[in-house]
Amino acid sequence: QQPVQSPQAVILREGEDAVINCSSSKALYSVHWYRQKHGEAPVFLMILLKGGEQKGHDKISASFNEKKQQSSLYLTASQLSYSGTYFCGTGNDYKLSFGAGTTVTVRA
Amino acid sequence: GAVVSQHPSWVICKSGTSVKIECRSLDFQATTMFWYRQFPKQSLMLMATSNEGSKATYEQGVEKDKFLINHASLTLSTLTVTSAHPEDSSFYICSARTSGDYEQYFGPGTRLTVT
Repeated sequence: QQPVQSPQAVILREGEDAVINCSSSKALYSVHWYRQKHGEAPVFLMILLKGGEQKGHDKISASFNEKKQQSSLYLTASQLSYSGTYFCGTGNDYKLSFGAGTTVTVRA
Repeated sequence: GAVVSQHPSWVICKSGTSVKIECRSLDFQATTMFWYRQFPKQSLMLMATSNEGSKATYEQGVEKDKFLINHASLTLSTLTVTSAHPEDSSFYICSARTSGDYEQYFGPGTRLTVT
């Protein structure tokens, strides 16, 4: 079953923060986050495997709340390069279902 | 590391013909490869999962005889769209993972246009 992402879209100015949420009606075993730029393939950002886990790379981080069956991706002090569509993928047994995506536009 | 390539990047074919798309893992052994389809401004829809040396497992609603998948080696999987029709036009993306890892690494995608 497809996870639900919110918001659908967000517009930011450089330096602003944003949060993207991903929730599922089923128990989550893992959450994968990807970013896709127009016309390109998705690029792996990070994976969270355990409830309570938090990860980050540069100023993009994510958390995983197993009990609430949701994950959040945090964009901090956004840069122009952060623009793109962010997808969360959830599932088990290595097969993923992807959310509808959140389009992030960062403006100068 | 973890580079996946696809060939071709784009292809235009006539209705009724077949098209083969290749997906290769360049620097790792891909025990499992996945094929996705993506329509404009939509999410990735999993079509099938293939394990090296085994028959592919197709998702519900995906026609096995139309989308032939072969995972002949640990570095190569192919998707053949048989008797393509305009409604098959889409962006096809493969991903690959290696045994023991959860991460999936995506290829650059193939844009198929059927005229």
